[in-house]
Amino acid sequence: ELKVEQNPLFLSMQEGKNYTIYCNYSTTSDRLYWYRQDPGKSLESLFVLLSNGAVKQEGRLMASLDTKARLSTLHITAAVHDLSATYFCAVGGAGTASKLTFGTGTRLQVTL
Amino acid sequence: ETGVTQTPRHLVMGMTNKKSLKCEQHLGHNAMYWYKQSAKKPLELMFVYNFKEQTENNSVPSRFSPECPNSSHLFLHLHTLQPEDSALYLCASSQAGHTDTQYFGPGTRLTVL
Repeated sequence: ELKVEQNPLFLSMQEGKNYTIYCNYSTTSDRLYWYRQDPGKSLESLFVLLSNGAVKQEGRLMASLDTKARLSTLHITAAVHDLSATYFCAVGGAGTASKLTFGTGTRLQVTL
Repeated sequence: ETGVTQTPRHLVMGMTNKKSLKCEQHLGHNAMYWYKQSAKKPLELMFVYNFKEQTENNSVPSRFSPECPNSSHLFLHLHTLQPEDSALYLCASSQAGHTDTQYFGPGTRLTVL
Protein backbone atom coordinates (compact mmCIF):
# COMPACT_ATOMS: atom_id res chain seq x y z
CA GLU A 1 0.00 0.00 0.00
CA LEU A 2 1.35 3.38 -1.01
CA LYS A 3 1.84 5.79 1.89
CA VAL A 4 2.64 9.46 1.55
CA GLU A 5 4.02 11.51 4.40
CA GLN A 6 4.47 15.24 4.51
CA ASN A 7 6.35 17.29 6.99
CA PRO A 8 5.97 19.55 8.67
CA LEU A 9 2.21 19.43 9.17
CA PHE A 10 2.15 23.06 10.19
CA LEU A 11 4.60 25.80 9.32
CA SER A 12 4.57 29.34 10.56
CA MET A 13 7.11 31.55 8.89
CA GLN A 14 7.85 35.22 8.58
CA GLU A 15 7.65 37.10 5.34
CA GLY A 16 10.94 37.11 3.51
CA LYS A 17 12.15 33.80 4.91
CA ASN A 18 12.90 30.58 3.03
CA TYR A 19 11.63 27.14 3.92
CA THR A 20 11.13 23.64 2.51
CA ILE A 21 8.22 21.22 2.74
CA TYR A 22 9.06 17.54 2.39
CA CYS A 23 7.04 14.75 0.85
CA ASN A 24 8.14 11.13 1.29
CA TYR A 25 6.39 8.18 -0.30
CA SER A 26 6.75 4.48 0.29
CA THR A 27 6.69 2.72 -3.09
CA THR A 28 7.88 3.32 -6.63
CA SER A 29 6.03 5.98 -8.56
CA ASP A 30 6.64 7.85 -11.77
CA ARG A 31 4.66 10.98 -11.04
CA LEU A 32 4.17 13.40 -8.20
CA TYR A 33 1.86 16.38 -7.92
CA TRP A 34 1.73 19.43 -5.69
CA TYR A 35 -1.55 21.18 -4.95
CA ARG A 36 -2.53 24.26 -3.00
CA GLN A 37 -5.77 24.66 -1.03
CA ASP A 38 -6.98 27.94 0.43
CA PRO A 39 -9.39 27.78 3.39
CA GLY A 40 -12.87 26.83 2.22
CA LYS A 41 -11.70 26.44 -1.35
CA SER A 42 -10.83 23.60 -3.65
CA LEU A 43 -7.44 22.26 -4.68
CA GLU A 44 -5.39 24.14 -7.23
CA SER A 45 -2.75 22.31 -9.25
CA LEU A 46 0.74 23.75 -8.81
CA PHE A 47 3.23 21.31 -10.27
CA VAL A 48 3.52 17.87 -11.80
CA LEU A 49 6.88 16.11 -11.65
CA LEU A 50 7.34 13.18 -13.98
CA SER A 51 10.95 12.06 -13.80
CA ASN A 52 13.89 11.72 -11.46
CA GLY A 53 15.62 15.05 -11.03
CA ALA A 54 12.65 17.03 -12.34
CA VAL A 55 12.51 20.61 -11.10
CA LYS A 56 9.67 23.03 -11.66
CA GLN A 57 9.46 26.66 -10.57
CA GLU A 58 6.65 29.15 -10.45
CA GLY A 59 7.22 32.46 -8.74
CA ARG A 60 8.46 31.87 -5.19
CA LEU A 61 7.75 28.12 -5.28
CA MET A 62 10.09 25.46 -6.58
CA ALA A 63 9.36 21.73 -6.57
CA SER A 64 11.80 18.89 -7.13
CA LEU A 65 11.65 15.12 -7.32
CA ASP A 66 14.16 12.43 -6.35
CA THR A 67 12.60 9.11 -7.31
CA LYS A 68 15.49 7.10 -5.90
CA ALA A 69 15.02 8.61 -2.46
CA ARG A 70 11.22 8.68 -2.96
CA LEU A 71 11.27 12.30 -1.94
CA SER A 72 9.86 15.51 -3.28
CA THR A 73 10.45 18.97 -1.89
CA LEU A 74 8.54 22.21 -2.23
CA HIS A 75 10.85 25.13 -1.55
CA ILE A 76 9.49 28.54 -0.68
CA THR A 77 11.72 31.51 -1.36
CA ALA A 78 11.20 34.86 0.36
CA ALA A 79 7.71 33.99 1.57
CA VAL A 80 4.87 36.47 1.24
CA HIS A 81 1.52 36.50 3.03
CA ASP A 82 -0.34 35.43 -0.15
CA LEU A 83 1.37 32.04 0.05
CA SER A 84 -0.54 31.18 3.22
CA ALA A 85 -2.51 28.01 2.39
CA THR A 86 -2.39 24.25 2.80
CA TYR A 87 -0.07 22.44 0.42
CA PHE A 88 -0.59 18.82 -0.55
CA CYS A 89 1.62 16.41 -2.39
CA ALA A 90 0.02 13.50 -4.19
CA VAL A 91 1.67 10.44 -5.66
CA GLY A 92 0.41 8.42 -8.60
CA GLY A 93 0.64 4.66 -8.30
CA ALA A 94 3.04 3.05 -10.76
CA GLY A 95 1.18 2.12 -13.90
CA THR A 96 -2.03 3.59 -12.53
CA ALA A 97 -1.69 7.24 -13.18
CA SER A 98 -5.25 8.13 -12.30
CA LYS A 99 -5.14 6.80 -8.74
CA LEU A 100 -3.58 9.40 -6.46
CA THR A 101 -2.58 9.01 -2.84
CA PHE A 102 -2.43 12.33 -1.01
CA GLY A 103 -0.27 13.40 1.86
CA THR A 104 -1.82 14.89 4.97
CA GLY A 105 -1.01 18.41 3.86
CA THR A 106 1.20 21.16 5.25
CA ARG A 107 -0.59 24.20 6.54
CA LEU A 108 1.58 27.22 5.83
CA GLN A 109 1.03 30.47 7.65
CA VAL A 110 3.13 33.44 6.59
CA THR A 111 3.14 36.21 9.11
CA LEU A 112 3.77 39.85 8.38
CA GLU B 1 -19.09 27.68 -17.06
CA THR B 2 -15.46 26.68 -17.05
CA GLY B 3 -13.43 24.02 -15.31
CA VAL B 4 -15.16 21.68 -12.90
CA THR B 5 -18.42 22.70 -11.25
CA GLN B 6 -20.24 21.08 -8.36
CA THR B 7 -23.74 21.50 -6.98
CA PRO B 8 -24.92 22.05 -4.38
CA ARG B 9 -22.09 23.82 -2.60
CA HIS B 10 -23.60 23.12 0.82
CA LEU B 11 -25.97 20.37 1.89
CA VAL B 12 -27.49 19.49 5.22
CA MET B 13 -29.38 16.22 5.44
CA GLY B 14 -30.84 13.87 7.97
CA MET B 15 -29.75 10.26 8.24
CA THR B 16 -32.92 9.03 6.53
CA ASN B 17 -32.79 11.43 3.58
CA LYS B 18 -31.76 10.68 0.03
CA LYS B 19 -29.83 13.32 -1.86
CA SER B 20 -27.48 13.57 -4.81
CA LEU B 21 -24.34 15.54 -5.51
CA LYS B 22 -23.64 16.66 -9.05
CA CYS B 23 -20.37 17.34 -10.81
CA GLU B 24 -19.83 18.62 -14.33
CA GLN B 25 -16.54 19.13 -16.11
CA HIS B 26 -16.12 21.49 -19.05
CA LEU B 27 -12.54 20.49 -19.88
CA GLY B 28 -13.15 17.67 -22.35
CA HIS B 29 -11.56 15.16 -19.98
CA ASN B 30 -12.22 11.43 -20.03
CA ALA B 31 -11.80 10.55 -16.35
CA MET B 32 -13.70 11.74 -13.30
CA TYR B 33 -13.24 11.17 -9.58
CA TRP B 34 -14.94 11.54 -6.23
CA TYR B 35 -12.86 12.35 -3.14
CA LYS B 36 -13.79 12.81 0.49
CA GLN B 37 -11.96 15.38 2.59
CA SER B 38 -12.49 15.14 6.35
CA ALA B 39 -10.92 17.32 8.98
CA LYS B 40 -7.38 16.26 9.88
CA LYS B 41 -7.34 13.37 7.40
CA PRO B 42 -5.74 13.06 3.99
CA LEU B 43 -7.90 13.34 0.92
CA GLU B 44 -9.50 9.95 0.31
CA LEU B 45 -10.19 8.68 -3.18
CA MET B 46 -13.69 7.17 -3.36
CA PHE B 47 -14.44 6.38 -6.99
CA VAL B 48 -12.78 6.64 -10.39
CA TYR B 49 -14.49 6.62 -13.78
CA ASN B 50 -12.62 6.30 -17.06
CA PHE B 51 -14.71 6.79 -20.19
CA LYS B 52 -17.87 6.39 -18.06
CA GLU B 53 -16.72 3.03 -16.69
CA GLN B 54 -16.02 2.68 -13.00
CA THR B 55 -12.44 1.56 -12.56
CA GLU B 56 -11.96 2.12 -8.85
CA ASN B 57 -14.13 1.70 -5.79
CA ASN B 58 -11.97 2.35 -2.78
CA SER B 59 -13.95 0.20 -0.33
CA VAL B 60 -16.65 2.82 -0.09
CA PRO B 61 -19.83 1.90 1.86
CA SER B 62 -22.85 1.15 -0.28
CA ARG B 63 -24.72 4.14 1.12
CA PHE B 64 -22.65 6.08 -1.44
CA SER B 65 -23.64 5.25 -5.00
CA PRO B 66 -21.87 6.89 -7.95
CA GLU B 67 -23.29 7.38 -11.41
CA CYS B 68 -21.50 8.56 -14.55
CA PRO B 69 -23.95 8.92 -17.47
CA ASN B 70 -21.32 10.45 -19.75
CA SER B 71 -17.73 11.65 -19.48
CA SER B 72 -18.81 15.18 -18.56
CA HIS B 73 -21.16 14.40 -15.68
CA LEU B 74 -20.72 12.57 -12.41
CA PHE B 75 -23.20 12.06 -9.60
CA LEU B 76 -22.91 10.79 -6.06
CA HIS B 77 -26.18 9.47 -4.69
CA LEU B 78 -26.44 9.49 -0.92
CA HIS B 79 -28.81 7.54 1.31
CA THR B 80 -28.97 6.52 4.94
CA LEU B 81 -25.81 8.44 5.76
CA GLN B 82 -24.14 8.63 9.15
CA PRO B 83 -22.89 11.74 10.97
CA GLU B 84 -19.31 10.63 10.33
CA ASP B 85 -19.99 11.04 6.62
CA SER B 86 -20.03 14.79 7.13
CA ALA B 87 -17.13 16.14 5.05
CA LEU B 88 -16.17 18.10 1.96
CA TYR B 89 -16.81 16.03 -1.15
CA LEU B 90 -14.61 16.96 -4.06
CA CYS B 91 -15.00 16.04 -7.69
CA ALA B 92 -12.06 16.06 -10.08
CA SER B 93 -11.41 15.31 -13.73
CA SER B 94 -8.36 14.51 -15.83
CA GLN B 95 -7.34 13.61 -19.33
CA ALA B 96 -5.39 10.39 -19.71
CA GLY B 97 -2.09 11.19 -21.30
CA HIS B 98 1.18 12.75 -20.41
CA THR B 99 0.60 14.37 -17.03
CA ASP B 100 -2.83 13.07 -15.91
CA THR B 101 -3.16 16.17 -13.74
CA GLN B 102 -6.46 16.16 -11.89
CA TYR B 103 -8.47 19.39 -11.78
CA PHE B 104 -10.79 19.81 -8.84
CA GLY B 105 -14.19 21.36 -8.40
CA PRO B 106 -15.09 23.67 -5.50
CA GLY B 107 -16.60 20.83 -3.47
CA THR B 108 -19.85 20.19 -1.64
CA ARG B 109 -19.80 20.71 2.12
CA LEU B 110 -22.04 17.96 3.49
CA THR B 111 -23.41 17.90 7.02
CA VAL B 112 -25.33 14.85 8.20
CA LEU B 113 -27.49 15.44 11.25
